[in-house]
Amino acid sequence: KAGVTQTPRYLIKTRGQQVTLSCSPISGHRSVSWYQQTPGQGLQFLFEYFSETQRNKGNFPGRFSGRQFSNSRSEMNVSTLELGDSALYLCASRLGQGRTDTQYFGPGTRLTVL
Amino acid sequence: DAKTTQPTSMDCAEGRAANLPCNHSTISGNEYVYWYRQIHSQGPQYIIHGLKNNETNEMASLIITEDRKSSTLILPHATLRDTAVYYCIGYQTGANNLFFGTGTRLTVIP
Repeated sequence: KAGVTQTPRYLIKTRGQQVTLSCSPISGHRSVSWYQQTPGQGLQFLFEYFSETQRNKGNFPGRFSGRQFSNSRSEMNVSTLELGDSALYLCASRLGQGRTDTQYFGPGTRLTVL
Repeated sequence: DAKTTQPTSMDCAEGRAANLPCNHSTISGNEYVYWYRQIHSQGPQYIIHGLKNNETNEMASLIITEDRKSSTLILPHATLRDTAVYYCIGYQTGANNLFFGTGTRLTVIP
């Protein structure tokens, strides 16, 4: 079974621009979560989607948004990019929302904001 | 939050067992302990999880103390490819997402 895939793998943007990242979950998985990883803050939860609805949200500004499609694929969008948004963005999928539903991570998208 | 405490770094000789400790004294009774590792900025890789019984899979063993305040991840025969940051994590209180701490940087030495 194919793992979680994320596109693009690397991205360079300038301040003020917006960016859209894509995540395809493992086949059959209906929950997708997004995380941001920076050297200073570590791995932080952004949000989780299940059945096309946002179920949980971390402590990030409204510039960070996401959505999930009927096939469980998910996108996250960051508007008005700031230098501090440079990070590794990770997507994780799991079967459902139970706490024993293990999350499996993709390789990440490395975003650099200049 | 189900906060966890791990040593910042550890070394292990290749071929020996690596024992990575984790303290999680605030974990609730029905909360699982998960272990992931991250190799050189790749996506975190799931290793194992447990509730109160010891668990073993093809990658590692997880020993959880009877009071559930701490656990130990055991890699039975460490190889150079096991060099990574290891995260012991639980679910964030009131939310349904993993809470990552700072992890333990394990270096396997030839």
